[in-house]
Amino acid sequence: EIVLTQSPGTLSLSPGERATLSCRASQSVSSSQLAWYQQKPDQAPRLLVFGASSRATGIPDRFRASGSGTDFTLTVSSLEPEDFAMYYCQVYGSSPPFTFGGGTKVEIK
Amino acid sequence: VQVDQSGTEVKEPGASVKLSCKASGYTFTNYYIHWVRQAPGQGLEWVGLIDPNDGATTFAQKFQGRVTVTSDTSTSTVYMHLSNLRSEDTAVYYCAREITRGLPGTYRPLGYWGQGTLLTVSS
Repeated sequence: EIVLTQSPGTLSLSPGERATLSCRASQSVSSSQLAWYQQKPDQAPRLLVFGASSRATGIPDRFRASGSGTDFTLTVSSLEPEDFAMYYCQVYGSSPPFTFGGGTKVEIK
Repeated sequence: VQVDQSGTEVKEPGASVKLSCKASGYTFTNYYIHWVRQAPGQGLEWVGLIDPNDGATTFAQKFQGRVTVTSDTSTSTVYMHLSNLRSEDTAVYYCAREITRGLPGTYRPLGYWGQGTLLTVSS
């Protein structure tokens, strides 16, 4: 089972700033098998980006995923007020279980 | 695409529960459906999945033997049955459809989520 560790636990930033979220895997993962989700309070998660660089429908291009091997990053280039939320990474592909990371909270500073 | 889940459940420890997940807006048998749960104030936990086409299932090891997932193609509904409930099972349970159809035996990210069902296990 692949374990995903996200850091930091909480990121305190101001609107307009750049957010960099980390997801580290316990073993090598293909960049095409790592996804990022956003979750706001009392809402279901929403898929943001997946694969090497694919954004889900309607996701603005300020959200960008990168990384390879065991280290992956979600970057939000310039935070909008609606971007303050929880973020989770998940591994998918051909070998279940499809675990999630523990999450990073992006909060307003 | 729409995924609609059943309502809030309250159960006693040791009981069983059956949650439902009704899909619409697409060909039901063409996409895997996953279950994910989230305990209060906690992160997301992957439970398992079903291929509605043939009913094949895969679960995370901690749920094996205690969870059953079935599908009814006549109503485009997936059911998750969880038995021998304990307080640690208190969570919101989400079902979600994969965003696109992958090759057989490969699984895709979760693009369409239900609204979640709150299950409370308490005496």
